[in-house]
Amino acid sequence: AQSVTQPDIHITVSEGASLELRCNYSYGATPYLFWYVQSPGQGLQLLLKYFSGDTLVQGIKGFEAEFKRSQSSFNLRKPSVHWSDAAEYFCAVGEPGGSYIPTFGRGTSLIVHP
Amino acid sequence: DAGVIQSPRHEVTEMGQEVTLRCKPISGHDYLFWYRQTMMRGLELLIYFNNNVPIDDSGMPEDRFSAKMPNASFSTLKIQPSEPRDSAVYFCASSLMDGTENEKLFFGSGTQLSVL
Repeated sequence: AQSVTQPDIHITVSEGASLELRCNYSYGATPYLFWYVQSPGQGLQLLLKYFSGDTLVQGIKGFEAEFKRSQSSFNLRKPSVHWSDAAEYFCAVGEPGGSYIPTFGRGTSLIVHP
Repeated sequence: DAGVIQSPRHEVTEMGQEVTLRCKPISGHDYLFWYRQTMMRGLELLIYFNNNVPIDDSGMPEDRFSAKMPNASFSTLKIQPSEPRDSAVYFCASSLMDGTENEKLFFGSGTQLSVL
């Protein structure tokens, strides 16, 4: 069974600084990988996903993520953080060819200082 | 489309009472999911349906929890009797699994349940 680890519970950055949120997965082959964002009081919204092909994936709101097979990682990045990016971020992994039902990590809370 | 609609947004009840959470998925979606979110356990998949049929309910914590999907546009999650440890945010999500890379989950805004 697949699993996903987000080692950072909280991340604090200053507005305008760069951001990297870590995600590591456990799966026997190349999985489907996702990043979702949850704003306060809202449901989760898909930021980006990787199914195959180019390992650098562009998403909405200026986010990108890079799939690194050798490190079993799918880290989320943004070059310049805005105050509105403060939210909870979830990495998820799904099984290709199967039901693909994603398994979510515990989430990383992003705090943005002005 | 209005997206996935959940009701109520907030529910406060007393221990032992029956609680019913409701969800209207996006029209045309063939999968529906119920998740529970707590600080301690994160986001847990409780159950999911495909074409109104329950596929996997292994995440349902115990027999006090039940879920139904009588038609393609409506699902309920019921807790009877409720307990304080059931307090959490419950999310419904839907998806169209068409075998393409367009597949993704659409989440509702959740129901904040507080059991006193």
